[in-house]
Amino acid sequence: GAGVSQSPRYKVAKRGQDVALRCDPISGHVSLFWYQQALGQGPEFLTYFQNEAQLDKSGLPSDRFFAERPEGSVSTLKIQRTQQEDSAVYLCASSIPRDRVLATNEKLFFGSGTQLSVL
Amino acid sequence: AQSVTQLGSHVSVSEGALVLLRCNYSSSVPPYLFWYVQYPNQGLQLLLKYTSAATLVKGINGFEAEFKKSETSFHLTKPSAHMSDAAEYFCAVRDPFGNEKLTFGTGTRLTIIP
Repeated sequence: GAGVSQSPRYKVAKRGQDVALRCDPISGHVSLFWYQQALGQGPEFLTYFQNEAQLDKSGLPSDRFFAERPEGSVSTLKIQRTQQEDSAVYLCASSIPRDRVLATNEKLFFGSGTQLSVL
Repeated sequence: AQSVTQLGSHVSVSEGALVLLRCNYSSSVPPYLFWYVQYPNQGLQLLLKYTSAATLVKGINGFEAEFKKSETSFHLTKPSAHMSDAAEYFCAVRDPFGNEKLTFGTGTRLTIIP
């Protein structure tokens, strides 16, 4: 596709349910990021993949959050036993990693996000 | 650790007036700095970026920002506001020696008064 695609666009879950959020990055993009954006706040980093390798998961708020990218393209963010504080917009972004020699491409492309509401 | 602070969560300007959105950064190394815009129900869109070249950076839609090391600032300006500029604006910082991970500010909602 032309851009980063995320699904579903909206998700309502009862507290305690598990949810799975999907991200389709731009074809050929090696780097993939997940961010969490609470209402009225800026996006906060969750985790980073380079191809299928999860190189940084320091932003995941608890062990209920799990992300994977098994084939280096589509990624899934899973939240187990959802809590009300998990309600937020979850943003996915992708890019070609910066080539330090060629100094190319500093741009992240963001999807429209999945708005998760936990009742 | 790196961070950005955006002064003013809400800014209102009249159509045709100067737009000034403030961003100050904190970084232990010379940072890369970005401004993103978010329209309702849309993804974040890059307006402009500073990556240690020219300190005055021009972006899309007539926006520009100036990197001032002495003031640790990267304020976003536009000489004449248009109704279509109404949106949420985010300043962000990243480590130039790391991956593309961005640290965002809390955002400034810009309202344009007709």
